[in-house]
Amino acid sequence: ELKVEQNPLFLSMQEGKNYTIYCNYSTTSDRLYWYRQDPGKSLESLFVLLSNGAVKQEGRLMASLDTKARLSTLHITAAVHDLSATYFCAVDPLTQGGSEKLVFGKGTKLTVNP
Amino acid sequence: EAGVTQFPSHSVIEKGQTVTLRCDPISGHDNLYWYRRVMGKEIKFLLHFVKESKQDESGMPNNRFLAERTGGTYSTLKVQPAELEDSGVYFCASSQLDRYEQYFGPGTRLTVT
Repeated sequence: ELKVEQNPLFLSMQEGKNYTIYCNYSTTSDRLYWYRQDPGKSLESLFVLLSNGAVKQEGRLMASLDTKARLSTLHITAAVHDLSATYFCAVDPLTQGGSEKLVFGKGTKLTVNP
Repeated sequence: EAGVTQFPSHSVIEKGQTVTLRCDPISGHDNLYWYRRVMGKEIKFLLHFVKESKQDESGMPNNRFLAERTGGTYSTLKVQPAELEDSGVYFCASSQLDRYEQYFGPGTRLTVT
């Protein structure tokens, strides 16, 4: 059974600092997703990583995927208060065709303090 | 383009009652998924429709849960009779066939008292 572990689960950081959220998963997969959720809102898709070595960047966030290590990272650069949210990684165990069920980590609640 | 919508946003019911949750996917999305997050736990897959057919219902907890997607458009998830452990946030997501990205709705927060 595929398991996905995120750490840390809670992260409090100062504005302007850098930090990394880690996502480990237990079985082979080359499709990994990062979502952001604000309280009471939908899960917003941030990144879809589809191959080993994939790196994507959007603003102050950068995600990478190492399928050999079964590890994805979400790096935050020079954090700002607006990045405060809960971040989820999710792995799709399907290796062909379209998306099917996603297996989620527990989420990382990020608080950026002024 | 309208996103995935869910109704109601909140529902509070007593143990033993019935509740029906509704999800309207993005127009043209044949894939529809239901997920649930129980407090403090991961978001867990419940089931997957392709059009009106159940592709995978391996995550459905028990036979008190019934999902339908008549006509391949909106979907309903009925819980009957509800138990305390059914409390949580129920998310719906949709995607196009053979596309990777799933788009999530805002969720329905269900509280069973």
